[in-house]
Amino acid sequence: EAQVTQNPRYLITVTGKKLTVTCSQNMNHEYMSWYRQDPGLGLRQIYYSMNVEVTDKGDVPEGYKVSRKEKRNFPLILESPSPNQTSLYFCASNSFRTTTSTDTQYFGPGTRLTVL
Amino acid sequence: AQKITQTQPGMFVQEKEAVTLDCTYDTSDPSYGLFWYKQPSSGEMIFLIYQGSYDQQNATEGRYSLNFQKARKSANLVISASQLGDSAMYFCAMREGGREKLTFGTGTRLTIIP
Repeated sequence: EAQVTQNPRYLITVTGKKLTVTCSQNMNHEYMSWYRQDPGLGLRQIYYSMNVEVTDKGDVPEGYKVSRKEKRNFPLILESPSPNQTSLYFCASNSFRTTTSTDTQYFGPGTRLTVL
Repeated sequence: AQKITQTQPGMFVQEKEAVTLDCTYDTSDPSYGLFWYKQPSSGEMIFLIYQGSYDQQNATEGRYSLNFQKARKSANLVISASQLGDSAMYFCAMREGGREKLTFGTGTRLTIIP
């Protein structure tokens, strides 16, 4: 089954304690990205990756790091989490679209993070 | 300026009625795609429907249709014969030109009343 998996699904942590949210896809997609969802703001892109070892900032990258050492994995790292990073996080992937493709982004199930 | 605007924070609709969720967008790129996603209370993002900027006809997927008015830059989602299971948050999103990133609106919370 084609899917994007994220772990953990729920996490409560304290300020400053480094954490990693893992993301993995089994569709051999080149493009992967991370979004955060906050009430009244919709989803905003944090970082994205066009392929292995190619990453770039999205709209809200401050306080986050990513890496893409393998095509299937795209972990999100919070080196020193703060309460304003309390949010719902989504990983997404898709293959690069062609002019005739309606290829959508496949979303993971989400990770609900609370930073105390 | 907001690239995607959803002006209805919440809507209440009687079961079996049709409902229209509004979405307007802003882009200068002639090539773009518009998406609608459903997010139930469980939190996952479910893709509903897609409209390409060059598509001649409005997209339809079962009970979902997209009322695409290019000149007005609107891409409203129409749900026919609403069901209780349609209660969810709905997001409109856009992908521009050669970019893979999706830009989302702030969402509309739809509640279907029995």
